[in-house]
Amino acid sequence: DGGITQSPKYLFRKEGQNVTLSCEQNLNHDAMYWYRQDPGQGLRLIYYSQIVNDFQKGDIAEGYSVSREKKESFPLTVTSAQKNPTAFYLCASSRTAINSDTQYFGPGTRLTVL
Amino acid sequence: DQQVKQNSPSLSVQEGRISILNCDYTNSMFDYFLWYKKYPAEGPTFLISISSIKDKNEDGRFTVFLNKSAKHLSLHIVPSQPGDSAVYFCAATTLKTGNQFYFGTGTSLTVIP
Repeated sequence: DGGITQSPKYLFRKEGQNVTLSCEQNLNHDAMYWYRQDPGQGLRLIYYSQIVNDFQKGDIAEGYSVSREKKESFPLTVTSAQKNPTAFYLCASSRTAINSDTQYFGPGTRLTVL
Repeated sequence: DQQVKQNSPSLSVQEGRISILNCDYTNSMFDYFLWYKKYPAEGPTFLISISSIKDKNEDGRFTVFLNKSAKHLSLHIVPSQPGDSAVYFCAATTLKTGNQFYFGTGTSLTVIP
């Protein structure tokens, strides 16, 4: 089955710890994205990658880091510098980075920082 | 600043009736719009899109209308079914520059059997 997997579904961390969220896709898509969803807000773009070994900051990149060493993987690290990390994180991919290409989303990871 | 707004957080409709979900945007450069549907504990799934060269796009029970002068789009679901109960997000982008989508806050639709 082709799709996007995110693990784990729920994640708890202590304040001040870095945490890495996994995102894997087997759709052979070039582009991948990380979004954050907070209550009462739309999805906000954190980082995106148009191709392997390339990534760009979105609107709210501060306190986050990413890597794109493999086409199928785009992990997101939430660092201790992120002031309000508790949120629902969604990963997406699209065939290309062209805007009209549909983005396919994973099921999300809910991160709670205690 | 929210560039895409969905001012109704929730909507309830009887099964078989029409559901109308609304979305407003502020950036006149947006020229491509999408609707996504999201069930609890799942990621959003693409529903329908519309380019600014059109004012209507239809796909089965789903129709999206675009009013560029009012910077407004709407999603019509006819007839509504209980399985349509979900959160609906509208999103907008500018095709020529970058590949960032701007999402609304979502409208939770409940279709009552």
